[in-house]
Amino acid sequence: DGGITQSPKYLFRKEGQNVTLSCEQNLNHDAMYWYRQDPGQGLRLIYYSQIVNDFQKGDIAEGYSVSREKKESFPLTVTSAQKNPTAFYLCASSIRDGDHEQFFGPGTRLTVL
Amino acid sequence: KQEVTQIPAALSVPEGENLVLNCSFTDSAIYNLQWFRQDPGKGLTSLLLIQSSQREQTSGRLNASLDKSSGRSTLYIAASQPGDSATYLCAVTGSNYQLIWGAGTKLIIKP
Repeated sequence: DGGITQSPKYLFRKEGQNVTLSCEQNLNHDAMYWYRQDPGQGLRLIYYSQIVNDFQKGDIAEGYSVSREKKESFPLTVTSAQKNPTAFYLCASSIRDGDHEQFFGPGTRLTVL
Repeated sequence: KQEVTQIPAALSVPEGENLVLNCSFTDSAIYNLQWFRQDPGKGLTSLLLIQSSQREQTSGRLNASLDKSSGRSTLYIAASQPGDSATYLCAVTGSNYQLIWGAGTKLIIKP
């Protein structure tokens, strides 16, 4: 069954903690993306990766970090430097970066207590 | 800077009606436009992708049109059903290959 999985579905964080959101895909896609979704706003790009061991900042990268050590995995760390991390986080992938269709995971809702 | 707008933010219609959702964008230099569906608390499902050279795409009861020159796209849903209730998002792929998103239209189909 091909697709994108994200875990956990819900995540609670205390202020000052770093947390890592998991994203895995078995679609053999080269490109992967992390978006943040807030109520009443369009999705905003945090980071993206075109290929293993390479990634670029998106529009709102401050307070976040990523790694891409394997083609299948693109974890996102929300650091304590992120001032307002409570949001819905979506991971996506596409065959290659460019004008190709993106496929999305089910999302992780992060709440800061 | 590319901006994508979806109006209205919310729409409620009786079951069985045909309806149109709107998406407008400010820069016509796009590679494609995509329509997505999002159920509450869930990820996004791609509905239709229209390349910049195309005028429309159809899938079942859905038809999406694209008019690049006027910066507009519409998503037409025929014979609406309660299961169509969701938030519909449009996104354009701009010159830097990044997706620029609208805020979505929340659609409620009343039985």
